[in-house]
This record gives sequence, C-alpha cells and structure tokens, in this order.
Amino acid sequence: DAMVIQNPRYQVTQFGKPVTLSCSQTLNHNVMYWYQQKSSQAPKLLFHYYDKDFNNEADTPDNFQSRRPNTSFCFLDIRSPGLGDAAMYLCATSRSGGYNEQFFGPGTRLTVL
Amino acid sequence: SQKIEQNSEALNIQEGKTATLTCNYTNYSPAYLQWYRQDPGRGPVFLLLIRENEKEKRKERLKVTFDTTLKQSLFHITASQPADSATYLCALDRSETGANNLFFGTGTRLTVIP
Repeated sequence: DAMVIQNPRYQVTQFGKPVTLSCSQTLNHNVMYWYQQKSSQAPKLLFHYYDKDFNNEADTPDNFQSRRPNTSFCFLDIRSPGLGDAAMYLCATSRSGGYNEQFFGPGTRLTVL
Repeated sequence: SQKIEQNSEALNIQEGKTATLTCNYTNYSPAYLQWYRQDPGRGPVFLLLIRENEKEKRKERLKVTFDTTLKQSLFHITASQPADSATYLCALDRSETGANNLFFGTGTRLTVIP
C-alpha cells in the first residue's frame, strides 16, 4: 500500500545533542510537510517542500532545519534540542494545486532528556 | 491572525446518537475546510473536504456543513459507535504557495459510550 513512513517511531535524545528524524513516501506526492504536535495541541506546521522549494514558517525556530534529497525522502534536523522540543513530529504529503488532502505518517515521538 | 476554535475539548455521547462537533474560525476566508480523525499516538487521517461554495458534504455516516457567513463548520457522526471515539481536527486551507497548507484546530476528543 502507498503510504508515509516515519522512522524511528520513538526517539530519545539528550539536551543539545543533534537529532535527525526521517520520513519517506511511496505516494509520489510533490509536497511534503513537517508538523510539531505537543500534547493536546494542534499540529503546528514547521515547514514544507513544494518539490525542491523549501518554505519555512515565519515562527519556526532556526534550531529546526530540513532536507529533501529526492521526491521520496525528507528529513527533519534539530540542531540543539531543548526540553521544549519534546513533542510528536508528524510528516505529511499531498499533491499540489489546492483542494487536496494531506496524508500523514504515524509520527515520531521525541523525548529530550 | 487566523484563529480556529473547536467547540469543546471533549464530548461524550451515547452509542447510537448523533455527535455534532463545531469548528469556528476568524480573520480568514478559506477556500476549503477539512476534517481529520486522530487516534492517540497516531497521525491524523483525512475524512472530508468541503469547499467554500458547498453547503454540505456527506460520506457514509459523516456529514459536514460549511457556513462562510457564520464562519463555522459542523461535523456530524450519525449512529455513533464506540469505534468512532477519537480526536477530530478541523483544518483551514491556507494555500499560500500552491501547496495545500493547513491551519489546524486543537481538536475535540469524542468518546462514544456503549
């Protein structure tokens, strides 16, 4: 089945130690998104790629960066995780052009010690 | 800035009844609105999309309405079942870059009691 895959499902890192979360898709969608979701809060968009074009949200901290080496893969890099970065990180994909649903992966739960 | 409010954090209803969830928004006129279901520890799953020129959309036991004058969407689940228990998220289109950017509400946690 076509899907969005996130690895790992659970990630534990230490305060200040860089961490990378990965996302892959078999849907061949040209748009990929990264969201941060804290407990009982709305998913908050960090950035998205429209093909190779990177679009950062204005309030996304510089600590968060992303790479998309090809259509299928996208990475979220947290350069120096703080305790406040502990959250569920969701990757999603969609077709471009508006009026399209987003397909979400299962998420990666990040714990910062 | 855009603001989305979903009527309550939690809603409990009896099995077989109709659940009605509310999504209100301000400071924006979205071209469309989407509803998603999210189970604990999982990613959201798309349910329905309704466009600004559509009043109502149905899918099996689900119905969504969209009132652009009131800036409100209602999400109904008829003949509710315990398996419908989940958090339901409302999301507004942002569509700024040709992508399908969404602005999500915090969700309503629905519990269907057997």
